[in-house]
Amino acid sequence: NAGVTQTPKFRVLKTGQSMTLLCAQDMNHEYMYWYRQDPGMGLRLIHYSVGEGTTAKGEVPDGYNVSRLKKQNFLLGLESAAPSQTSVYFCASSSSGRQNEQFFGPGTRLTVL
Amino acid sequence: GQNIDQPTEMTATEGAIVQINCTYQTSGFNGLFWYQQHAGEAPTFLSYNVLDGLEEKGRFSSFLSRSKGYSYLLLKELQMKDSASYLCAVRPVTGGGNKLTFGTGTQLKVEL
Repeated sequence: NAGVTQTPKFRVLKTGQSMTLLCAQDMNHEYMYWYRQDPGMGLRLIHYSVGEGTTAKGEVPDGYNVSRLKKQNFLLGLESAAPSQTSVYFCASSSSGRQNEQFFGPGTRLTVL
Repeated sequence: GQNIDQPTEMTATEGAIVQINCTYQTSGFNGLFWYQQHAGEAPTFLSYNVLDGLEEKGRFSSFLSRSKGYSYLLLKELQMKDSASYLCAVRPVTGGGNKLTFGTGTQLKVEL
């Protein structure tokens, strides 16, 4: 099992460009999450999904959109990138049991110039 | 709202014991998690507490006091590979999806 994978690993964008980050999991997890991690800020939840076809806002959703068309995939979109979106993005997944932990992907390092 | 506090940095000696504290104030409580994150890598799960008391798992133990809003992670027989950031995360009762609120992490440096 690959667990949680993310594509791409690194990306550099210019202000105003758009891109999509792909997250895939092969553990048949119901729940999936997108976080950003910035120095001194910790992990902050952007959006999450409790099942195929559903999405919900997290703590810092502005400037991002998500889609979960298939259970195993969770896409994070930036329509018009801004330098404030320079960050490391982590995807995670978990099963629906209360005590089940979140499994994280390797991260995507995004720089917006 | 949610508020989770951890020390920013700690230094300890190889072979020693270190305790990393976490205090939290959340709107409801449904469990506390500890994660380890090495530089440039993804967080990995260490422990879960939902009831008061100590959970032991090898060299790592985690303690919870719900009445005090307090947890600690205890690392014994420290090894150089334990140098990492340790993240405390709380699962509030409100909201679905097993969401977690993370602290900013404690950077542990293990020295010879």
